[in-house]
Amino acid sequence: DVKVTQSSRYLVKRTGEKVFLECVQDMDHENMFWYRQDPGLGLRLIYFSYDVKMKEKGDIPEGYSVSREKKERFSLILESASTNQTSMYLCASSLGRGPYQETQYFGPGTRLLVL
Amino acid sequence: GQNIDQPTEMTATEGAIVQINCTYQTSGFNGLFWYQQHAGEAPTFLSYNVLDGLEEKGRFSSFLSRSKGYSYLLLKELQMKDSASYLCAVRDQAGGAGNMLTFGGGTRLMVKP
Repeated sequence: DVKVTQSSRYLVKRTGEKVFLECVQDMDHENMFWYRQDPGLGLRLIYFSYDVKMKEKGDIPEGYSVSREKKERFSLILESASTNQTSMYLCASSLGRGPYQETQYFGPGTRLLVL
Repeated sequence: GQNIDQPTEMTATEGAIVQINCTYQTSGFNGLFWYQQHAGEAPTFLSYNVLDGLEEKGRFSSFLSRSKGYSYLLLKELQMKDSASYLCAVRDQAGGAGNMLTFGGGTRLMVKP
């Protein structure tokens, strides 16, 4: 079974703090993704990565950055947390390209509260 | 760009059949996914359609019509544990190096005894 883990289930931070969210997958997947999920807005893609050290902006990259130094690990960074970044953050990974390899598997999520 | 619509909420009775619809308007299309998400948990993969027609997996089936920009998820013999949100997601053909999915807002299904 694919396993995607995230470093924290719940996190409370203060405005202006630098926040790191870590995601690890154990199935040698090429692609990794960071989403945020908010009531009424659904899942929105922040960034994704299709290879080590490669990254692409998603729909809402502003205020975020990412790092992928190793294939299994994809980090989301909030350079200076703001209250409007309070959300559920979900990491996902997929095997590769082509039909049936593109199914995304999700981690348990990190619920971040910025005060 | 992508626009994906699905009903916000549905209610059904245990043992019944329910159909959750999803319509999409996209600049490209390369597959449609359905995910199930229980409250407070991560989405889990249910089905994938890239060709027109019906895909059946036990109590769950998913249908796709590319010409109509339409899909549905059919749940049979509903159980209480099927109470969850159901997310429709479209793979954009223009995704290049990655395989970006665009998600609909999700349909919250409540199954009543």
